Amino acid sequence: SQKIEQNSEALNIQEGKTATLTCNYTNYSPAYLQWYRQDPGRGPVFLLLIRENEKEKRKERLKVTFDTTLKQSLFHITASQPADSATYLCALDIRSSASKIIFGSGTRLSIRP
Amino acid sequence: GAGVSQSPSNKVTEKGKDVELRCDPISGHTALYWYRQSLGQGLEFLIYFQGNSAPDKSGLPSDRFSAERTGGSVSTLTIQRTQQEDSAVYLCASSLTSGSPDTQYFGPGTRLTVL
Repeated sequence: SQKIEQNSEALNIQEGKTATLTCNYTNYSPAYLQWYRQDPGRGPVFLLLIRENEKEKRKERLKVTFDTTLKQSLFHITASQPADSATYLCALDIRSSASKIIFGSGTRLSIRP
Repeated sequence: GAGVSQSPSNKVTEKGKDVELRCDPISGHTALYWYRQSLGQGLEFLIYFQGNSAPDKSGLPSDRFSAERTGGSVSTLTIQRTQQEDSAVYLCASSLTSGSPDTQYFGPGTRLTVL
């Protein structure tokens, strides 16, 4: 079956450390992979997009890697801050379907001071 | 500019009643999506509109669910004869086009509670 798996447990990180979130998928061949942030009571907000032919993408303190062989993306937040606490969703852009982005269930990240 | 807006923000209804949820996408965005998010779960795709094309309804869980998009802008998601399992947050998103990459802009959601 087709699956997207993110860290099932909440992640608790000490402020200043690097947080690493994992997104694994099976049976998809995504053209793109996206990461979104979702705060309680709000809709997801787009953060970063990485294409299938890109290995790494950076934006400020964020870094995303995309390994199509391992079928895995890693999302890193360096120098983490309490304001980074949120749920982070990965989403696969399935080229075979023009209408759908498939979302993972998200990983809840807590940064403690 | 204004983002995606949804109304109402909260809706409490009794089992068996019909509800209508509204979404105002970002002006100029041709693609519009509806998702459902249950507590602690990911986003479940419901329906997708792209311009004047026939909508992709493949995610609708039952025939009690329907959606319209009038004039290529505002969309209404209707749930008839609501059931308790319909309780969730209903999220609307719009994007500039339907082509890849398809970065979606989400509204704040409507929290539906069916008693």
